Amino acid sequence: AQSVSQHNHHVILSEAASLELGCNYSYGGTVNLFWYVQYPGQHLQLLLKYFSGDPLVKGIKGFEAEFIKSKFSFNLRKPSVQWSDTAEYFCAVISYNTDKLIFGTGTRLQVFP
Amino acid sequence: DAGVTQSPTHLIKTRGQHVTLRCSPISGHKSVSWYQQVLGQGPQFIFQYYEKEERGRGNFPDRFSARQFPNYSSELNVNALLLGDSALYLCASSLDQAGREQYFGPGTRLTVT
Repeated sequence: AQSVSQHNHHVILSEAASLELGCNYSYGGTVNLFWYVQYPGQHLQLLLKYFSGDPLVKGIKGFEAEFIKSKFSFNLRKPSVQWSDTAEYFCAVISYNTDKLIFGTGTRLQVFP
Repeated sequence: DAGVTQSPTHLIKTRGQHVTLRCSPISGHKSVSWYQQVLGQGPQFIFQYYEKEERGRGNFPDRFSARQFPNYSSELNVNALLLGDSALYLCASSLDQAGREQYFGPGTRLTVT
């Protein structure tokens, strides 16, 4: 069955530190990849997406992610985090076969000033 | 433009009761999907509807059902509620049939006592 793994459950950083959140998926066919963010008290928002083309995709608020097909990975990065990045981050995958959006368990990021 | 809206915001029910949750998609979006998010986990896919037809179903019992109306709004129904049905129920809408870029509503928090 298709699955998504997020290795970091809880990450604590100081402002200006660099961020990398891991995401691996199990499906071997054609996929679309997403990162969603849920700020405290707010609903899920799309951070960035990969459909095809350049495997390095840029999203909102300075986030980027790199799709590495050979590693089945789609890691999220940000060079310098801010306190306002404190949120829960979800990686999600939708395959062309199933059309079901499958989410990882999420990573809770806390950024301290 | 209004985003995805859901009602009610919160709901408390007792075991064995029935519940109906409602969702209005973004204007122009014809696809609606439903997800269950239990605390500490990522959203789990329940249903997807496109043009009033069920296009996908997740691994949920038959107590869960849904429908989509001609105006593309949707209802999620859960019968014979169990304590384990307590969760945040999310609705998402998208433009295309495959639901490849989904926008989420704020959710309905269901508590079953």
